[in-house]
Amino acid sequence: KQEVTQIPAALSVPEGENLVLNCSFTDSAIYNLQWFRQDPGKGLTSLLLIQSSQREQTSGRLNASLDKSSGRSTLYIAASQPGDSATYLCAVKTGANSKLTFGKGITLSVRP
Amino acid sequence: DTAVSQTPKYLVTQMGNDKSIKCEQNLGHDTMYWYKQDSKKFLKIMFSYNNKELIINETVPNRFSPKSPDKAHLNLHINSLELGDSAVYFCASSQDLLGGAKNIQYFGAGTRLSVL
Repeated sequence: KQEVTQIPAALSVPEGENLVLNCSFTDSAIYNLQWFRQDPGKGLTSLLLIQSSQREQTSGRLNASLDKSSGRSTLYIAASQPGDSATYLCAVKTGANSKLTFGKGITLSVRP
Repeated sequence: DTAVSQTPKYLVTQMGNDKSIKCEQNLGHDTMYWYKQDSKKFLKIMFSYNNKELIINETVPNRFSPKSPDKAHLNLHINSLELGDSAVYFCASSQDLLGGAKNIQYFGAGTRLSVL
C-alpha cells in the first residue's frame, strides 16, 4: 500500500528565501508524481507532474525533482514571495488506472 | 469560464437526509473524480469515471452513489447522511488516464458539507 509523507506539516520563511519542500513515498514503483497547491477555501491547482522516467520538471520559480530509488521528491521554490503562501501537496500514482495517493501537505507561510 | 465547477459550494443539512452534489467540466476531458477532504485536510479518492464508466471505487459506504450522465458530468448522491460525512468534497477531471500532461487533474473549488 502506497503511503505518502510530507514533513514538516508547516513552514514559515521570510520573503526572498529559497526553500525546499520534501515528499517521501513507500512504494518506488510509481507511474507519476504530482505537486499541487491549495489555497484556503479553494480547490487544488496542479503545479508540476513528473513521469516515472523523468528526474525533474521546471515551471518558472518552481523545480520538482524525483528520485524513485530513494522514494523521494522535492519541490524547490526560488525567491519565495508572500503570494506563494499556500498548502503544497504531493501525490503519487502507481499505475495508469490507479488512484492518486496524497500526502497531508505542507502549509507554507512566506512573511513579507 | 470555470473549468471544473461544482454546486453547491456550501451544503448544511440534517442527519438522515439525502443530498446531491453536482460537477461539470468544460475541458472536454474523459476522466472525472470525486475526492473527500476530511477535517485533518487528508485528501482521499472516492470514485473515478472514464468515459462514463466506473474505474476506481474506493472503500466508500454504498450510501454514496456517483452518477455520470455524460462525460462532462459526474454527480455525487449521498443517502442517509451521517455526522462523519461532514467534509469538503472535491470534483476533478483529467484528459485521460494515460501518462504525461494528459494525466494532470484539474480540481473544482469544493463543496463544504456540514451534517448537523
